[in-house]
Amino acid sequence: ILNVEQSPQSLHVQEGDSTNFTCSFPSSNFYALHWYRWETAKSPEALFVMTLNGDEKKKGRISATLNTKEGYSYLYIKGSQPEDSATYLCASYGNKLVFGAGTILRVKS
Amino acid sequence: DTAVSQTPKYLVTQMGNDKSIKCEQNLGHDTMYWYKQDSKKFLKIMFSYNNKELIINETVPNRFSPKSPDKAHLNLHINSLELGDSAVYFCASSQEIGTGYGYTFGSGTRLTVV
Repeated sequence: ILNVEQSPQSLHVQEGDSTNFTCSFPSSNFYALHWYRWETAKSPEALFVMTLNGDEKKKGRISATLNTKEGYSYLYIKGSQPEDSATYLCASYGNKLVFGAGTILRVKS
Repeated sequence: DTAVSQTPKYLVTQMGNDKSIKCEQNLGHDTMYWYKQDSKKFLKIMFSYNNKELIINETVPNRFSPKSPDKAHLNLHINSLELGDSAVYFCASSQEIGTGYGYTFGSGTRLTVV
C-alpha cells in the first residue's frame, strides 16, 4: 500500500445502528495514525492519535484500533446518532501527515 | 477564542493577481501547516513550519510562498494566481513536529480564481 486508503467511501445507516470504517496505510516508515471527524462547513477535529501496534482508543461511543504490522486501523461507532453524520478522515504519519479521502457517514433518524 | 484562525474565509480574485491568506494560532503550538483540499476533497500538505523554520515543502509551484514572522503565524502568499489554484486552503497547527498530537485546523479559506 502506497497511499492512505479508506473504505467505504460513504455509508448510510439508521439511528441506533453500529458501524465501522477501515483505514489502510503504508506500514513502512510509520509513526502514528490519526482519525479526524469533519462536519460540513467546519474544520476537521482530531478524534484519536495512535502510535503503538494494538493500540485501542475510545471516546464515548467511538473507538478505534490499530494494527501497524499489517497497516490498518478500524473506527467503530456504537449506536449511531444523527449528530454523528460527518466525514471521518484517517491520516498516517511517517515524515508528514498524509490523509485518506475519508468516509462520509449519514445517519438517518 | 478561536484556536486557529484564517482570514479571509472567502477570496474571489482575478487570474494574474497576487493574494495572501493569513493564519494565526493562539495554542502555543510549535508547528504550523498549510493544506490544500483538492478537487477530489483530499487534504494535501503544502508546507510545514516549525518555530519559523521551513520543514516541509511539497511539490508546490513556486508562486506559493509561505511566510512565518513568528511561531504563531503562518501566512500563504500566492503570486500570479491561476484558475487551477481555486480550492479550499486549510491552516493547521500541532504541539510538536511529528505525530503524538492531533492537528488543530482552521476553518479554511475558499479561494476562487476567475
